[in-house]
Amino acid sequence: NAGVTQTPKFRVLKTGQSMTLLCAQDMNHEYMYWYRQDPGMGLRLIHYSVGEGTTAKGEVPDGYNVSRLKKQNFLLGLESAAPSQTSVYFCASTAQGSTSKNIQYFGAGTRLSVL
Amino acid sequence: LAKTTQPISMDSYEGQEVNITCSHNNIATNDYITWYQQFPSQGPRFIIQGYKTKVTNEVASLFIPADRKSSTLSLPRVSLSDTAVYYCLVGPTFYNQGGKLIFGQGTELSVKP
Repeated sequence: NAGVTQTPKFRVLKTGQSMTLLCAQDMNHEYMYWYRQDPGMGLRLIHYSVGEGTTAKGEVPDGYNVSRLKKQNFLLGLESAAPSQTSVYFCASTAQGSTSKNIQYFGAGTRLSVL
Repeated sequence: LAKTTQPISMDSYEGQEVNITCSHNNIATNDYITWYQQFPSQGPRFIIQGYKTKVTNEVASLFIPADRKSSTLSLPRVSLSDTAVYYCLVGPTFYNQGGKLIFGQGTELSVKP
């Protein structure tokens, strides 16, 4: 059971380039999340999804877009990368329903540098 | 979602018990208290969750006083491998607002030999 898998693990972009980060979970979770983590800032929520075909903005959504075409996948896109988007990106998922207690399961992260 | 306050950093030595306290004065009736642990270069992972009194599992204990305005994560006999950042989160366990969590800066625990 892989849990939450993020690809790629590392990426270097030039300013203005675009890329997509992929998150895949095999736990049949309804909810999925994208966070970014910067030094001394903790994790900040970018976008989240409460189900296939639905997405919503989090705390820091500007410059990012997301899509949830399949229940198991949550994609994070950067249309025109900026140096301010240099960060570590984490994907997480959790199940719907009281038994899950809103416990989120995280991937290993994607380290992105924008030059 | 209730705001939490916890120490930025703590130091300890191997074999000691470590207690990390988190303040959450505005905790709501439906809120649970959840702690996550994050090792360097890894994503956070769930440690323990509680509503009131004491909860214990194989990793840690969580103490919550009657007024629930604070909580204490207790790590017994820490080892070097417990060096990590520990996050205290407060929020509902049912699906209000999409189950969003708010992570603060966490407490960076450094265990020395």
